[in-house]
Amino acid sequence: GDSVTQMEGPVTLSEEAFLTINCTYTATGYPSLFWYVQYPGEGLQLLLKATKADDKGSNKGFEATYRKETTSFHLEKGSVQVSDSAVYFCALSDRSRNSGYALNFGKGTSLLVTP
Amino acid sequence: EAQVTQNPRYLITVTGKKLTVTCSQNMNHEYMSWYRQDPGLGLRQIYYSMNVEVTDKGDVPEGYKVSRKEKRNFPLILESPSPNQTSLYFCASSFSGTSNQPQHFGDGTRLSIL
Repeated sequence: GDSVTQMEGPVTLSEEAFLTINCTYTATGYPSLFWYVQYPGEGLQLLLKATKADDKGSNKGFEATYRKETTSFHLEKGSVQVSDSAVYFCALSDRSRNSGYALNFGKGTSLLVTP
Repeated sequence: EAQVTQNPRYLITVTGKKLTVTCSQNMNHEYMSWYRQDPGLGLRQIYYSMNVEVTDKGDVPEGYKVSRKEKRNFPLILESPSPNQTSLYFCASSFSGTSNQPQHFGDGTRLSIL
């Protein structure tokens, strides 16, 4: 079945450091890929998405490129801020099942950015 | 403001006492879904609804019921809660049930079943 694997955290970085959170996936069809962010005490918010191979999603300085050849969707940011501290989830959705669809989530990567 | 609203945000209750978690969205979305989030297991889908009066099981439906009588509401019902249903629950909605549509999440409901 479909699955998402992302690097385990926690990840601790100093402010202005470069961020990479790795995400790889397995899927039987042609999935759409997402990154969601969860701030403490809040629900998940869509950060960015890509719906086909070679698409690049970007938002708030974060970027991720849909790489079909490596089945990856790594999240990057050139200079993190303290306010980026949160849990990041990689997810895919694939209509390969007979009815409906769900988001398949990775287990999440906790990021802590220190001043 | 476009949002998904869940109530209550927190609930502590006892085994066997029926409870309902409400979910409402104001975006006229067709698709709604419930997830539970557990440490080490991530988020797993419980039930989803493609439209009014259309619901189906997700990956972990046992012990839960849902209904979709109106487009905006999608309550989650635990008829006889048990301690293994202690979890953080999220309702989500999207414009349609197609895979490229992002889902919008509520702020979550933390349930503790004693």
